[in-house]
Amino acid sequence: NAGVTQTPKFRVLKTGQSMTLLCAQDMNHEYMYWYRQDPGMGLRLIHYSVGEGTTAKGEVPDGYNVSRLKKQNFLLGLESAAPSQTSVYFCASSYSGLAGGSADNEQFFGPGTRLTVL
Amino acid sequence: RKEVEQDPGPFNVPEGATVAFNCTYSNSASQSFFWYRQDCRKEPKLLMSVYSSGNEDGRFTAQLNRASQYISLLIRDSKLSDSATYLCVVNRNQGGKLIFGQGTELSVKP
Repeated sequence: NAGVTQTPKFRVLKTGQSMTLLCAQDMNHEYMYWYRQDPGMGLRLIHYSVGEGTTAKGEVPDGYNVSRLKKQNFLLGLESAAPSQTSVYFCASSYSGLAGGSADNEQFFGPGTRLTVL
Repeated sequence: RKEVEQDPGPFNVPEGATVAFNCTYSNSASQSFFWYRQDCRKEPKLLMSVYSSGNEDGRFTAQLNRASQYISLLIRDSKLSDSATYLCVVNRNQGGKLIFGQGTELSVKP
């Protein structure tokens, strides 16, 4: 199993350009998430999905859109990139989203995408 | 105030030392708690869940105090390979959304 994969690994954009980050998981997980990580801020949730065809806003959704057309894929789009979106983006997935310490809600992360917006 | 707060460190300790990380959370509705480990420029990975009764996994011990809204991680007999950033994480049982602390950096020296 590849687990969670992300493409691309690195990208440099100019302000105003658009791009899509792809996340794929082969663990048949229902829940998928997009986070961004900035120095001193920890990981912050952008959007998430509780199943195929569903999406919901997280903590910092502005400037981003997402789609979950297939269970195994979760796409993050930037329609008009801004320098404030320079960050490391992590995708994650979990079997369930319920609270509790069971293995079902462990989140597995992809290797990250390093995005720079000039 | 951040919902999950940690001492950012860095903690610089010699091999064999015992080191403790502390974390506080502000939302009393928080349901479950975790420690994740993140190596430099890598993705976070689950280290251990934290239970009210406390739990131990080898050299690692996690404690939870719900009344004080406080979580701790103790690492005994530190190894060079323990050098990483340790993330305190809370789940409010809202669609699996995790709230991350900013992380505590640990550097174990020979």
